[in-house]
Amino acid sequence: QQQVKQSPQSLIVQKGGISIINCAYENTAFDYFPWYQQFPGKGPALLIAIRPDVSEKKEGRFTISFNKSAKQFSLHIMDSQPGDSATYFCAASSSGSARQLTFGSGTQLTVLP
Amino acid sequence: SAVISQKPSRDICQRGTSLTIQCQVDSQVTMMFWYRQQPGQSLTLIATANQGSEATYESGFVIDKFPISRPNLTFSTLTVSNMSPEDSSIYLCSVVYGGGLGTEAFFGQGTRLTVV
Repeated sequence: QQQVKQSPQSLIVQKGGISIINCAYENTAFDYFPWYQQFPGKGPALLIAIRPDVSEKKEGRFTISFNKSAKQFSLHIMDSQPGDSATYFCAASSSGSARQLTFGSGTQLTVLP
Repeated sequence: SAVISQKPSRDICQRGTSLTIQCQVDSQVTMMFWYRQQPGQSLTLIATANQGSEATYESGFVIDKFPISRPNLTFSTLTVSNMSPEDSSIYLCSVVYGGGLGTEAFFGQGTRLTVV
């Protein structure tokens, strides 16, 4: 049973556009929701994270929107750049930390120049 | 932050053999985590390795297939035993630092394993 569902599987955006990736979870015990960015040949790197006591968190061009009642959260990348082209994973944990993460299936983002 | 080194970075192995993957961290950590990333797919937690105790395995993973060692606070190994082509994946080790919203998981660059 997949506990974190991510969509879309792939996304193509023009430079300067907004990239939106969505995730939904089932386990109400999850209390920590990070997004990771992975480039080919590299391990994932933390992009931004949120806890369920807030509905939105913004860091630069990256924003997480969180809807606790719907059990959904999303990543918005504003002013998308070709350097943002990577695979993005949402994740969740019930440990209150980044330990023992359950990952979504990943979204391959391509930003066209 | 953390610097995590994995060895080997990639390997091609014959079915039925075993491969041991090493993970070295530049600072002491209590827990180390091993994940598997199958081609084009997500990361799945294999086990949590604590120094001085047996590793804790997730559902679907067993010690006989994926034995783990954790001899000290900066090093761990994962062995993939009796390999089959289905074991072809990227294996990543991870450590976690910090708490609250400052918690962050750091990953090694991964070991790309191909079983032929």
